[in-house]
Amino acid sequence: DQQVKQNSPSLSVQEGRISILNCDYTNSMFDYFLWYKKYPAEGPTFLISISSIKDKNEDGRFTVFLNKSAKHLSLHIVPSQPGDSAVYFCAASPVYGGSQGNLIFGKGTKLSVKP
Amino acid sequence: KAGVTQTPRYLIKTRGQQVTLSCSPISGHRSVSWYQQTPGQGLQFLFEYFSETQRNKGNFPGRFSGRQFSNSRSEMNVSTLELGDSALYLCASRQQGRVGYTFGSGTRLTVV
Repeated sequence: DQQVKQNSPSLSVQEGRISILNCDYTNSMFDYFLWYKKYPAEGPTFLISISSIKDKNEDGRFTVFLNKSAKHLSLHIVPSQPGDSAVYFCAASPVYGGSQGNLIFGKGTKLSVKP
Repeated sequence: KAGVTQTPRYLIKTRGQQVTLSCSPISGHRSVSWYQQTPGQGLQFLFEYFSETQRNKGNFPGRFSGRQFSNSRSEMNVSTLELGDSALYLCASRQQGRVGYTFGSGTRLTVV
């Protein structure tokens, strides 16, 4: 049973336009949500996170939106650049007492930004 | 500041053998987690260590084990290897109280 779902395996966007990557989750106990970017032959790189008490977090070209009632979050990249082409993973962190516990990942969305 | 270092980068083993993978976290990071990445299952949590103690464990068979040393370095071991254990094994570390994990580049294990 997948607790974090990324329903679009791939997304193609023109350079300069907005990229919107979506993620749905089922467990209302998740406390933090994170986005990672992964290039081939490298480990995932942390991009941006959002706490469950917020609905938006922004960092440069990257903005994450959280809709708790819909159990949905999205990552917006504006403007998209060819270097953004990678696999993007959505991850959620459950609450484990004082620990943030392990991360539960979606299966990723491959973003291709065309020049 | 050095990142998370995993060794070896690539490994080929035969079914039935065992393997040990190593991870050196970022200096000062006491929490180390291990993940398995496969094309079909994505990134799956194996276990997390903090101050030499296993704090969380994922849903993997007992053939998968790990440990953490006093200098926060960690190893994971897989015994009686199966073909399905072929995967990219990723180690990640973080500072206590921080959200984002920093991942290493992984060890690509191929079981033949």
